[in-house]
Amino acid sequence: NAGVTQTPKFQVLKTGQSMTLQCAQDMNHEYMSWYRQDPGMGLRLIHYSVGAGITDQGEVPNGYNVSRSTTEDFPLRLLSAAPSQTSVYFCASSYREIPPTGELFFGEGSRLTVL
Amino acid sequence: AQKITQTQPGMFVQEKEAVTLDCTYDTSDQSYGLFWYKQPSSGEMIFLIYQGSYDEQNATEGRYSLNFQKARKSANLVISASQLGDSAMYFCAMTGTRGGSEKLVFGKGTKLTVNP
Repeated sequence: NAGVTQTPKFQVLKTGQSMTLQCAQDMNHEYMSWYRQDPGMGLRLIHYSVGAGITDQGEVPNGYNVSRSTTEDFPLRLLSAAPSQTSVYFCASSYREIPPTGELFFGEGSRLTVL
Repeated sequence: AQKITQTQPGMFVQEKEAVTLDCTYDTSDQSYGLFWYKQPSSGEMIFLIYQGSYDEQNATEGRYSLNFQKARKSANLVISASQLGDSAMYFCAMTGTRGGSEKLVFGKGTKLTVNP
């Protein structure tokens, strides 16, 4: 059972480059989200999706783009990387339950450094 | 808007003792959920415990219990019989508006150190 899979786990970019962080889940979860974690800041929501074809912005969406063409995949695109985007990125997924009755499942994280 | 406050940047506890990590929240929603996650130095997010706002009993999962005081808007995590492996960052989180887990709001975390 793979759960939530993020790739790559580590990436170094130069300012201005673009890249995509991949996220896939095999639990048929409706909800998927991207968070970034910076020292002393906890996790902050970048973008989220409540189902295929539906995405919305979170707290810190600037500089990022997402799409959800399938239930399984939710890639995060950095359009033009900036040093301020140096962070650890987490993808997460869960069932559509309001309120939830269980956990939000996290990927292992992707550490991105922008030089 | 939802807000989570964890006022203890760091906590120390002796092995085998109990420890309480504080979490207060702010919301105008009637229906919401509260989570605790553990993040060891290896970096992964480990789910510990969940409490729904309409749950009348405090949630428990093994050595973890959530002391839910709705009127005070607090959701403290109690770890009984601390172990060295409990040393980690601990994050409190709550559901966003509409009450689903697609957009959790996290606190800044508490770093717990368990001393032998």
